[in-house]
Amino acid sequence: AQSVTQPDIHITVSEGASLELRCNYSYGATPYLFWYVQSPGQGLQLLLKYFSGDTLVQGIKGFEAEFKRSQSSFNLRKPSVHWSDAAEYFCAVGASGATNKLIFGTGTLLAVQP
Amino acid sequence: DAGVIQSPRHEVTEMGQEVTLRCKPISGHNSLFWYRQTMMRGLELLIYFNNNVPIDDSGMPEDRFSAKMPNASFSTLKIQPSEPRDSAVYFCASSVTSGGGETQYFGPGTRLLVL
Repeated sequence: AQSVTQPDIHITVSEGASLELRCNYSYGATPYLFWYVQSPGQGLQLLLKYFSGDTLVQGIKGFEAEFKRSQSSFNLRKPSVHWSDAAEYFCAVGASGATNKLIFGTGTLLAVQP
Repeated sequence: DAGVIQSPRHEVTEMGQEVTLRCKPISGHNSLFWYRQTMMRGLELLIYFNNNVPIDDSGMPEDRFSAKMPNASFSTLKIQPSEPRDSAVYFCASSVTSGGGETQYFGPGTRLLVL
């Protein structure tokens, strides 16, 4: 069965510092992988997704993620964090079959220090 | 496009009362998902519909929960009777489903508090 692990529950970075959020997945084939962001009191917004092709994916708000099959990882990165990036970040894997069902990780809460 | 619309945005009710949450998906989307988010359990998929038909309701916690999708532009999630442990944020999401991997678009959520 598919699963997603986000090992970091909470991360604090300084504004302007680089960021990497970890995501590991379990899946038997080439997965569909997603990163969503949830700002306080809001719904989830798609940052980026991977389903084939170039393993480095660019998303909105200056985020990128790299699919590494050998490590079963899809880590999210940003070279310079802004205070407005403070939010909760969710990694998700698409379930098998044409169902569009997503399996979400437990999320990583990002705090940004001035 | 207006995005996924959910109502109400906030609901406070007393234990034992019936609660109905509503969702209008993005026009043209053929899949609809109901999620529940709590601190303890994170984001859980409750049920999803494809072309108005429930496909997987294995996440529905118990018989007190029911969901319907009478047409392509409207869905409800009902809790009867409600209990304090149902307090959570309930999200609706929609997508166009063809071969898999399509993006789900989330509504703003309904924050439910059962006293």
